[in-house]
Amino acid sequence: IAGITQAPTSQILAAGRRMTLRCTQDMRHNAMYWYRQDLGLGLRLIHYSNTAGTTGKGEVPDGYSVSRANTDDFPLTLASAVPSQTSVYFCASSDSSGGTGELFFGEGSRLTVL
Amino acid sequence: GQNIDQPTEMTATEGAIVQINCTYQTSGFNGLFWYQQHAGEAPTFLSYNVLDGLEEKGRFSSFLSRSKGYSYLLLKELQMKDSASYLCAVMDSNYQLIWGAGTKLIIKP
Repeated sequence: IAGITQAPTSQILAAGRRMTLRCTQDMRHNAMYWYRQDLGLGLRLIHYSNTAGTTGKGEVPDGYSVSRANTDDFPLTLASAVPSQTSVYFCASSDSSGGTGELFFGEGSRLTVL
Repeated sequence: GQNIDQPTEMTATEGAIVQINCTYQTSGFNGLFWYQQHAGEAPTFLSYNVLDGLEEKGRFSSFLSRSKGYSYLLLKELQMKDSASYLCAVMDSNYQLIWGAGTKLIIKP
C-alpha cells in the first residue's frame, strides 16, 4: 500500500530555476493539499484541490502553481525559485473535502534554493 | 486573526504521563485534530474531537472544551518512541485547517 508518494525526496535548486514537485495518491481521495513546513511555524497551506479539475489558493500561494488533471496526481510547480522557498513540502490527501476526514501525508520533499 | 497556541517544547520521563495543551482562536469551529510527527517524517493522525469531552485511544487521550477554546493531548506510560512533535490543528468555518507550530516532546529515560 503506497498511500501518497512524493518526488523528489530532496532537491537543491539554483534560484530562478523552475521546479515541479510530484505527488501521487492511490487512495482515490477527492481532496489534496500542498503544505510547506518551516522551523517554528505551523504547516502552511499553499494550494488545495477539493476534486479533480478544481484548485484553490491557500494561505501562502504566491510563487507556486498547481494542477489537478485527475484524481491521483497533484503536482506543485515553482515557476522561478527563490531562497525563501527553501522548506519541506508535504502533499496530503483526505477523503472528504468539506468534512472531518483526517489528512494522509506524503513523506515530504526537502527543497533548498540557493 | 486566527491563532493556535501550544508550548514549543516539553520534557518528560519514560513511564510517566504528560499533558500537551492547545488553545485556539479561530473563525468558527469544525473540529480539532492532533497529529504526531517524528523528526524527518510526515505527520500522522492521532485524534479528532468535535464535541466537548475526552476521547480515549489506548495510551493517548484527547480532551476538548469548545467554550474555552482549549484542548489537551494526554500521553500515558510514556515510551522512548513517543519522542516527537505533536501538532494541534483546528478546522475553521471554511473547513480549512489552522495549524499550531507544534510541541516537541523529549522523553528521558
